[in-house]
Amino acid sequence: AQSVTQPDIHITVSEGASLELRCNYSYGATPYLFWYVQSPGQGLQLLLKYFSGDTLVQGIKGFEAEFKRSQSSFNLRKPSVHWSDAAEYFCAVGSTSGSARQLTFGSGTQLTVLP
Amino acid sequence: DTGVSQDPRHKITKRGQNVTFRCDPISEHNRLYWYRQTLGQGPEFLTYFQNEAQLEKSRLLSDRFSAERPKGSFSTLEIQRTEQGDSAMYLCASSSGYSGANVLTFGAGSRLTVL
Repeated sequence: AQSVTQPDIHITVSEGASLELRCNYSYGATPYLFWYVQSPGQGLQLLLKYFSGDTLVQGIKGFEAEFKRSQSSFNLRKPSVHWSDAAEYFCAVGSTSGSARQLTFGSGTQLTVLP
Repeated sequence: DTGVSQDPRHKITKRGQNVTFRCDPISEHNRLYWYRQTLGQGPEFLTYFQNEAQLEKSRLLSDRFSAERPKGSFSTLEIQRTEQGDSAMYLCASSSGYSGANVLTFGAGSRLTVL
């Protein structure tokens, strides 16, 4: 069964500092990988996705993520964090077979941004 | 199209009562998903529809839960005889396509509080 681990429950960074959120997955084949962001009381917004090809993917709001097959990782990065980036971030792995192709999410990383 | 809509956004009910949530997906999307998210956790898959057919159900979906998508458009999720453990955010998502990578668009969710 597929699974996702986000080792950091909570991360605090200062505005303007760089950010890296960790994500490790377990899946039997090359996975589809996603990062979503959730602001308080809101649904999930897609930041970026990896399906195949270039292992460094660019997303919205200046975020990028790198797929490393050897490490089963898909870490999210941003060079300079803005106060508006404070939110909860979820990594997810998508099924590549079966009819549902549902996503399996990690437990999330809460990001706090200090002024 | 304004995205995935969910109603109501918030519902407070007493234990033992029945509740129903509605989801209106993006109009051209044939796939519809329900997820449940409890505090401090990532969303967990509940069930999936392709058009009007309910094709997969998670073990999390007990007999008290029923979901429908009668005409392949909007969907309802009903919880009968609610329990305090049902308190959660119920997220609906939709996507298009019959194969390949599956990108889910989420609604803002319906938050249920069972007293």
